[in-house]
Amino acid sequence: NAGVTQTPKFQVLKTGQSMTLQCAQDMNHEYMSWYRQDPGMGLRLIHYSVGAGITDQGEVPNGYNVSRSTTEDFPLRLLSAAPSQTSVYFCASSYSGTSRDTQYFGPGTRLTVL
Amino acid sequence: DQQVKQNSPSLSVQEGRISILNCDYTNSMFDYFLWYKKYPAEGPTFLISISSIKDKNEDGRFTVFLNKSAKHLSLHIVPSQPGDSAVYFCAARRTGTASKLTFGTGTRLQVTL
Repeated sequence: NAGVTQTPKFQVLKTGQSMTLQCAQDMNHEYMSWYRQDPGMGLRLIHYSVGAGITDQGEVPNGYNVSRSTTEDFPLRLLSAAPSQTSVYFCASSYSGTSRDTQYFGPGTRLTVL
Repeated sequence: DQQVKQNSPSLSVQEGRISILNCDYTNSMFDYFLWYKKYPAEGPTFLISISSIKDKNEDGRFTVFLNKSAKHLSLHIVPSQPGDSAVYFCAARRTGTASKLTFGTGTRLQVTL
């Protein structure tokens, strides 16, 4: 199993550009999430999905869109990038989403918005 | 409002000694707590967890203690090894919130020879 994969690893955007961060998992996990990590802030939840076709907002959803058309994929879209979205983005997945379920994280995408 | 706090941004410990990483939380609805370890340029990896109905959970060199009345948990690593050098994140989850983890800001542990 490849686990949770994310592409690209690095990306530089200009303000106003759009892009999609890709996330895929091959563990047949129902639950998937996107976090961003900023210095001194820890990881903050952006959006999450409890299964194909179902998504919901996390703590910092503004400026981001998600969709979940398949169990395997959970892309994160930036419609109009802003410098405040410069961050490291992590995708995570877990089997059932119960309290005791462990989340597995991808390696991250480092995004810089100029 | 930081609901999960790790007040020590960094910690340096000699190899073979005990490392103690601390975490405080404010939300009494949290019922499950986790520690993640993160190396540079990698995603966090799960280390150990504890349910709010327990006060201790042990896994090899790693032990997590939970003091619910004080809303405090700690991670003990004994003995510390150079490979333990990483950033450690405390995370908490509320009942019924599935994937929604609330993370602390992290503590960078350096284990010196």
